[in-house]
Parts: sequence; C-alpha cells; structure tokens
Amino acid sequence: QSALTQPASVSGSPGQSITISCTGTSNDVGGYNSVSWYQQHPGKAPKLMIYDVSNRPSGVSNRFSGSKSGNTASLTISGLQAEDEADYYCASYTGSSIPYVFGTGTKVTVL
Amino acid sequence: QVQLVESGGGVVQPGRSLRLSCAVSGIIFSSYGMHWVRQAPGKGLEWVAVIWNDGSNKYYADSVKGRFTISRDNSKNTLYLQMESLRAEDTAVYYCARGSSQDYYVMDVWGQGTTVTVSS
Repeated sequence: QSALTQPASVSGSPGQSITISCTGTSNDVGGYNSVSWYQQHPGKAPKLMIYDVSNRPSGVSNRFSGSKSGNTASLTISGLQAEDEADYYCASYTGSSIPYVFGTGTKVTVL
Repeated sequence: QVQLVESGGGVVQPGRSLRLSCAVSGIIFSSYGMHWVRQAPGKGLEWVAVIWNDGSNKYYADSVKGRFTISRDNSKNTLYLQMESLRAEDTAVYYCARGSSQDYYVMDVWGQGTTVTVSS
C-alpha cells in the first residue's frame, strides 16, 4: 500500500485561503468516505482536524474544511493564521489487509 | 479527560526486542479500537498496527508484519507493541492513538509518543 500523495509544501499570507490536495487511488481515497486530516506542530503529537472527508471534530475551527472528488481529497484552510503553520497529513481507510495509509505530508508556511 | 501515555522506548541494538506500552485513562478502554503510528526522524507519519476493542482482530503494515505484535490488556487499560528483530529503519517516535467510537480508522486522541532508537 503506497502512501497517499500530497504536495511537500504550501504557503499563504495571513487571511488568505490555501488548499492541500491528497491523491490516492480507487482502492483508498476514491473508494471510501473515510478520509481524515491531521495537523502536527513540531515536536507535538498529531491532532485530528477533519474526519469522514468533511466532518470537523468538536473544538476544531470552522476555518478548516474538507472535500473529495474522485481519488483526490482536499483540505482548505481559510483565513490563514500564524498558528496554522504546521505539517498536515491526510489518511484513508483502504479496505485491504493493510487497512490504513497516511499521506506524504504537507508543510504549511504562513508568510 | 482522556489520556494516553506511552512508555518503553529507548536505545536498542539491531536484532534485539523491545515492548512499548500505552496506558489509557479517562475512557472505557475496552470500547475502543487502538492504533500504533510511528514517525522516523524528519519523516512523515506511518501507520503501524490496529487492534479491535476486544482484541479479536489485528492488522499490520507490511514493514512490521511478522516482527511486531500489537496486543492489549483491557483489565489494565493498556495497549502494547512487542517489537522483535529490530532494524535501524524502525528508529522513530511511536504514538498510540484511539480509534473513534464511530470509526476505528479515525484517530481522535493521541499520546505524546515514545522514542525508539535502533543502533549498535
């Protein structure tokens, strides 16, 4: 099971919106509505930001939104803030004997 | 509140074994599936293994299959990862994470991680 493909880096200015893509196959992202996004600040544990493609856990800002089209999922951060600077990972259920896979990760920089 | 606390990491020689523990509090541990996820230095997250709430099902990444064993003791609210035949490429921070109540494959609570270094 190969890692899902994400851009290595995305940047934006405060207040702008950015979108991170996550490309898989019909065996993972495209086949199930079980895509999650995790935020990780340096030296910290990951934090769940989006689950089931577009749902936000309680306490996560509504500036974070998720969507999916075909084999590609996306995370959009609107009204970019300095605290959003972190690494972001997508992940998907695969339905196989290796049931879970993470994306390659994207470093978000706030200019 | 929910707490996951990993322990057992350290420096180990290639080929040796190590057992990680994840002590869980603040939830009914036996109701949740649990995962191990690792992160090599400067690298991304890698899913390692999952175990069902009752231990009935276990799945592993190809990179650890046959060498690592995930287990749990619901009477002790503790998750384990037994690691055998360790390799340099197993060097990583190891996190335990809870699968959500609706979907085992949504990791909604994470521990702080424990570091494993495989080196001679």
